[in-house]
Amino acid sequence: DSGVTQTPKHLITATGQRVTLRCSPRSGDLSVYWYQQSLDQGLQFLIQYYNGEERAKGNILERFSAQQFPDLHSELNLSSLELGDSALYFCASSADTDTQYFGPGTRLTVL
Amino acid sequence: AQKVTQAQTEISVVEKEDVTLDCVYETRDTTYYLFWYKQPPSGELVFLIRRNSFDEQNEISGRYSWNFQKSTSSFNFTITASQVVDSAVYFCALRSYGNKLVFGAGTILRVKS
Repeated sequence: DSGVTQTPKHLITATGQRVTLRCSPRSGDLSVYWYQQSLDQGLQFLIQYYNGEERAKGNILERFSAQQFPDLHSELNLSSLELGDSALYFCASSADTDTQYFGPGTRLTVL
Repeated sequence: AQKVTQAQTEISVVEKEDVTLDCVYETRDTTYYLFWYKQPPSGELVFLIRRNSFDEQNEISGRYSWNFQKSTSSFNFTITASQVVDSAVYFCALRSYGNKLVFGAGTILRVKS
């Protein structure tokens, strides 16, 4: 158990819908990262937050957004969902530049 | 540009065999970190090891060992006396400038009894 929690574990929704994925980092970790794992793209970095502020952005679509709250949990919002958004979404946390520990992931299926 | 290549897509071995997973990386930075993660069938990503670019000492942890060679930009992972529980997808990753991890495509390891 990495100490990073993610909810929900599975999510099934329809095209055009909006969903919110939630992540709670390990106790004391200020950085939260979001990654997408898909069959065609592999594991791709989406975005990083540090203590509530966006720190780095990867190949995150404009339809996707994230935020980190004062209690350090983070949410990833995916809107106008397409079939191709079906993937495993991971959250990771770290003590700034230290090792990233990953949560169990949220498997999103868009029908 | 940062890149990680895991040329072995899938490896199958019989239990108790030794197996080496290859990882080759590219970066222009002089300071960087290399990682190995394991993704078992249950799907989570489990951290195995971190190595910084200034530490080329090989590391052994039980049946696992890692060989870091800057001269060939490689960070290979060996499992000695493999077990069925080692069956998983193994990812090599690089972190240099910035904090994001760049992952290789992963190697599927199947250990048969």
